[in-house]
Formats: sequence, structure tokens, C-alpha cells
Amino acid sequence: AQSVTQPDIHITVSEGASLELRCNYSYGATPYLFWYVQSPGQGLQLLLKYFSGDTLVQGIKGFEAEFKRSQSSFNLRKPSVHWSDAAEYFCAVGPGSGNTGKLIFGQGTTLQVKP
Amino acid sequence: GAGVSQSPSNKVTEKGKDVELRCDPISGHTALYWYRQRLGQGLEFLIYFQGNSAPDKSGLPSDRFSAERTGESVSTLTIQRTQQEDSAVYLCASSSRDRANEQFFGPGTRLTVL
Repeated sequence: AQSVTQPDIHITVSEGASLELRCNYSYGATPYLFWYVQSPGQGLQLLLKYFSGDTLVQGIKGFEAEFKRSQSSFNLRKPSVHWSDAAEYFCAVGPGSGNTGKLIFGQGTTLQVKP
Repeated sequence: GAGVSQSPSNKVTEKGKDVELRCDPISGHTALYWYRQRLGQGLEFLIYFQGNSAPDKSGLPSDRFSAERTGESVSTLTIQRTQQEDSAVYLCASSSRDRANEQFFGPGTRLTVL
């Protein structure tokens, strides 16, 4: 079955601290992988994506993610969190090889940032 | 406009009434998707349109849900005889043919069924 698991429902970090949000997936074929961020009252914004090649991908707002095929993981990281990073983060997988189709989303991780 | 737009932004309705939600995709985007996000949950896929192909309706939860798309333009999601469990944010996304895997999302319509 195709699924995405984000084990952490809520995470609280202090401003300036490092962040890692976990994502594990189950997908039959080689998927494309995404992280989206959703701020209160906002739509989803794409942070970064992995299609192929270098397993460490850089995104917007200083985020990066590493694809680990052996662990079926695509964890999101940021070296130093800013108060404006407080939001909900969603990991998603979609069909690879340039195909269109539905994305499968995790349940989301809510990030709180302490001053 | 530059992005995906959805209307209305909020809709409150009574149980049993029909509602229509509208999505305007990014101009030129051939694919259009509808997702549902219940409170505290991730997004659930509902339906997907790609050009003139038959839509993928595999995510529609019941026959009360339907959607139409005019060409590669506007889409309407209709929920008939609304139930309280239909309360959710309904999100629309679109993608282009040359960047097929990048879906751009609208701000959503928050539906509340009383």
C-alpha cells in the first residue's frame, strides 16, 4: 500500500536551534518526494522536491532534505530555525518519471518555535 | 492571476444542502486536482483531471461528490446533500505538462456543515 508517515505530530524548538522533521514512505515504484509548508490561513507552499540525482536537495527558506532509499526516508532539516518557520509541514510522494497523478500526503507535523 | 484561486474562501451550509466549490487553475496548466483536508489531518486526494482524458475519480468518498472541468480551465466540485463529516478545507491544485510533478495549490475553501 502507498503511504507516508510523519511520526511527529508536534515539535517545539527554540529559535536558532536546528530542526529535523521525519518522513517515511511506502511506494511501489520510485517516487518523487516533496515537502510542503502550510502557514495558518495559507495554501500549501512547496519547500523542496526530490526527483533524482543528488540525494541532498536544497529548498527555499534555508530548508534541505535528504533522500535515503535504504530507509525509505526523506527527512527535512534546517540548521537554524526562525520564528517565522512556525507552521505545519507535510511530506508527500507522487508518481515518478514525469507522470502526473495524485500526491499522497503524510498527516503533517506542526512546528512551534519558542522565542 | 499568478496562482491558483478558489472561491468561496469560506462556506457555511446546513446539513442536506448542496454546495459548489470553484477552482481557477494557473493559466496553461493541463492537470487539476482536488484534495480534502479535515481538521488536523493530511490531504486526501479526491479527483484529478488531465487534459481531455477521463478524470481519475478514485478518491471521491461517495456518490454525493462530483466534479467537472471545462477544458483546461475552471473546475467545480459539487457536494450534494451535505453531511457534517463533509466539513473540511477543500484544496485545489494544478500542474503544467512540462513540470508534471509540481502541483501548485490554491488557498482552499473552508466548508462548514451545520
